[in-house]
Amino acid sequence: SQQGEEDPQALSIQEGENATMNCSYKTSINNLQWYRQNSGRGLVHLILIRSNEREKHSGRLRVTLDTSKKSSSLLITASRAADTASYFCATDINYGQNFVFGPGTRLSVLP
Amino acid sequence: DSGVTQTPKHLITATGQRVTLRCSPRSGDLSVYWYQQSLDQGLQFLIQYYNGEERAKGNILERFSAQQFPDLHSELNLSSLELGDSALYFCASSPLSSGSNGELFFGEGSRLTVL
Repeated sequence: SQQGEEDPQALSIQEGENATMNCSYKTSINNLQWYRQNSGRGLVHLILIRSNEREKHSGRLRVTLDTSKKSSSLLITASRAADTASYFCATDINYGQNFVFGPGTRLSVLP
Repeated sequence: DSGVTQTPKHLITATGQRVTLRCSPRSGDLSVYWYQQSLDQGLQFLIQYYNGEERAKGNILERFSAQQFPDLHSELNLSSLELGDSALYFCASSPLSSGSNGELFFGEGSRLTVL
């Protein structure tokens, strides 16, 4: 199984609702990052949380990190149809030499 | 626009052939990463270069090779292509060789179809 695994694999919500995605990982990390990918496009960095941080905010995004449980969550508040995309967590396990991506969560926000 | 340029955007070729994918990193970024994204395998790390030197290797097949040139652009060479090599190949760059604050800037990918 992978170092990072997102849960759920797919999520469908109505516009205006909040979306929560989770990421679990196996080994110690230096930081954890969340990326977004629109269908067939390149990944776009959303937010980075360091291993000594517990929570971080960026606009409508809120990320938490629990190193004791080796898990992270990404909350998107007041979702919009434009948030429809796949979301990936990536763990930095070797100081920038290798970012390990999970399989992603496909988010659909219905208007 | 991430500032990372990948060419070609699309490539269709036959089994047994060889192709070269090219990546120009963001201005000033010394690190280049290559990833393969397929439906069944997700995003797989292939290899990382920093300022011309190989720094980390992932699940890269022996039929694949890469290099980073003095002008920092990178090429991924795929040879003896098989049907299973069909995938999106992404290049990403980062200003850091190591350290815990790096984010990756991805290109739009090269979609390879092997027939």
